[in-house]
Amino acid sequence: GEDVEQSLFLSVREGDSSVINCTYTDSSSTYLYWYKQEPGAGLQLLTYIFSNMDMKQDQRLTVLLNKKDKHLSLRIADTQTGDSAIYFCAPRSGGYNKLIFGAGTRLAVHP
Amino acid sequence: DTEVTQTPKHLVMGMTNKKSLKCEQHMGHRAMYWYKQKAKKPPELMFVYSYEKLSINESVPSRFSPECPNSSLLNLHLHALQPEDSALYLCASSQDATIQETQYFGPGTRLLVL
Repeated sequence: GEDVEQSLFLSVREGDSSVINCTYTDSSSTYLYWYKQEPGAGLQLLTYIFSNMDMKQDQRLTVLLNKKDKHLSLRIADTQTGDSAIYFCAPRSGGYNKLIFGAGTRLAVHP
Repeated sequence: DTEVTQTPKHLVMGMTNKKSLKCEQHMGHRAMYWYKQKAKKPPELMFVYSYEKLSINESVPSRFSPECPNSSLLNLHLHALQPEDSALYLCASSQDATIQETQYFGPGTRLLVL
């Protein structure tokens, strides 16, 4: 079946850039999403990229997609303490709108 | 407005109880979803409703019974649950289930089964 892998933990200093990586196996994924989850909360849509794009920028967020290697990354510029959360990579698979979530990367931002 | 609301926020129930979770959206979306998220795990899809009809059931035990009374509302009826069913239950909606539409999530209901 489809598989999505992410590193589990990332620690960065406030003001630095964060890069969260994701690899996936389903080459038919056409939309790939990034969601953010703060403690005890639901999922907040951050951004997404369509598979015919290599890069998408949205304010402090940059998404890079290497479709050949099935690698997706999320870069957060000027990381702030409010960015501390779990970030889920979720490629969309299947004829129905089925998201396949990675395990999530916990981002910790320290002063 | 991309708001999905869920009630209650928290729920504690015994194994013999019957309770219901409620989800509502007023974005005109025609697809709605239930996910289950255990602690420190990613969300797992349970059910998909498309145009008020159940289109996907991910082999969920029958003690979970979904219902979509209209296009804005999605319920999850719970009966005879087990302690391992304790989790965060997330509802989501999208414009349509059959094309590439973004899913918007609610804040979730945190369920504890004693």
